[in-house]
Amino acid sequence: AQKVTQAQTEISVVEKEDVTLDCVYETRDTTYYLFWYKQPPSGELVFLIRRNSFDEQNEISGRYSWNFQKSTSSFNFTITASQVVDSAVYFCALSEMVRGSTLGRLYFGRGTQLTVWP
Amino acid sequence: DVKVTQSSRYLVKRTGEKVFLECVQDMDHENMFWYRQDPGLGLRLIYFSYDVKMKEKGDIPEGYSVSREKKERFSLILESASTNQTSMYLCASSPRSWGAENEKLFFGSGTQLSVL
Repeated sequence: AQKVTQAQTEISVVEKEDVTLDCVYETRDTTYYLFWYKQPPSGELVFLIRRNSFDEQNEISGRYSWNFQKSTSSFNFTITASQVVDSAVYFCALSEMVRGSTLGRLYFGRGTQLTVWP
Repeated sequence: DVKVTQSSRYLVKRTGEKVFLECVQDMDHENMFWYRQDPGLGLRLIYFSYDVKMKEKGDIPEGYSVSREKKERFSLILESASTNQTSMYLCASSPRSWGAENEKLFFGSGTQLSVL
């Protein structure tokens, strides 16, 4: 079973629309980290955010916001007023503790291809 | 600026060849990782290493091996390349554990390997 599920394979929106990318995760740990990465057409993965399991506060950074809900095991990502430059593949990822450390190992979802049309 | 460098952006090899993919990081990170990325499958972990000469299997280690003789360098080896190993290979590194808020997995630009 996948630890991270991104049910939306592809999303297309028109510029200035708001869009939400869904992420559902599965873990038995009480301490874990959640991530979002962006992969533009150039290919390099760009870090967007990291949250730990004890911090359920929603976060806003410019046009980006994240909604973390432990009750539903979800960590959704919203882009407000989308722009063409937001077109990319977005990955949600989970990191669990191993032998008392994160060890940096991430489990990735399959990604959501977002296309923003002008 | 922190960097994870992969030696080749594109590589074309023939079936049965031995292939080496090299990765170097300049951040003095303990952990290093090799992922492969395939359309619709996301990133899957092949091998990782949390110290020099240490290695652990990830989710899809079959057909691969790794070498970590120095802290900054982590090599992925395809002993006998096959066509189903055609993929994008991504190297990453991270500090041993995340204490500071900005600590995360740092990625290289990837190597697109084609096995003919």
